[in-house]
Amino acid sequence: AQSVAQPEDQVNVAEGNPLTVKCTYSVSGNPYLFWYVQYPNRGLQFLLKYITGDNLVKGSYGFEAEFNKSQTSFHLKKPSALVSDSALYFCAVRDGNNRLAFGKGNQVVVIP
Amino acid sequence: NAGVTQTPKFQVLKTGQSMTLQCAQDMNHEYMSWYRQDPGMGLRLIHYSVGAGITDQGEVPNGYNVSRSTTEDFPLRLLSAAPSQTSVYFCASSYNQLNTEAFFGQGTRLTVV
Repeated sequence: AQSVAQPEDQVNVAEGNPLTVKCTYSVSGNPYLFWYVQYPNRGLQFLLKYITGDNLVKGSYGFEAEFNKSQTSFHLKKPSALVSDSALYFCAVRDGNNRLAFGKGNQVVVIP
Repeated sequence: NAGVTQTPKFQVLKTGQSMTLQCAQDMNHEYMSWYRQDPGMGLRLIHYSVGAGITDQGEVPNGYNVSRSTTEDFPLRLLSAAPSQTSVYFCASSYNQLNTEAFFGQGTRLTVV
């Protein structure tokens, strides 16, 4: 079965510093990978996805993610974090059985 | 441009009561799903549907029923509410089930006492 690991419960970063949120996955077959963000009391919003092609994927709000097949990772990155990036971030993978599995989520706190 | 609409936003039930969480989407998406979100556990798939008339179980289906009579609607029924079903429930839809992103509703916060 597919699974996603987000090893850190919380990521603290100073405003203006680079932000990285880690994700590793396990799936049989080709991975379809997604990142979502959740602001307080809201539903999840799509940030970006990797289906095929370039390993570096660019998404919404200045976020990007790098797919690394050998390390089975799909880390989310932003060059310069904003206070408004403080939120809960979820990595998700969909495998050939077409079911979407989410990680536990990472709370990102951007410190002014 | 409504997207995915969930009702109600909040609900308190007594143990043993039943209720239906409503979900509707106006994007003509074939794939719809229900998740529950619990602290430290991420989102877990309850049931999903790949089109009208077709439903299947997810990771945590016990205590829940679904039906998909139309493309637009995908209600989730709690048959006999239990405190363990206290959670935040999210409905999601996507154009297809494989490589397109999911759109989520605002969620329903359910408390079972």
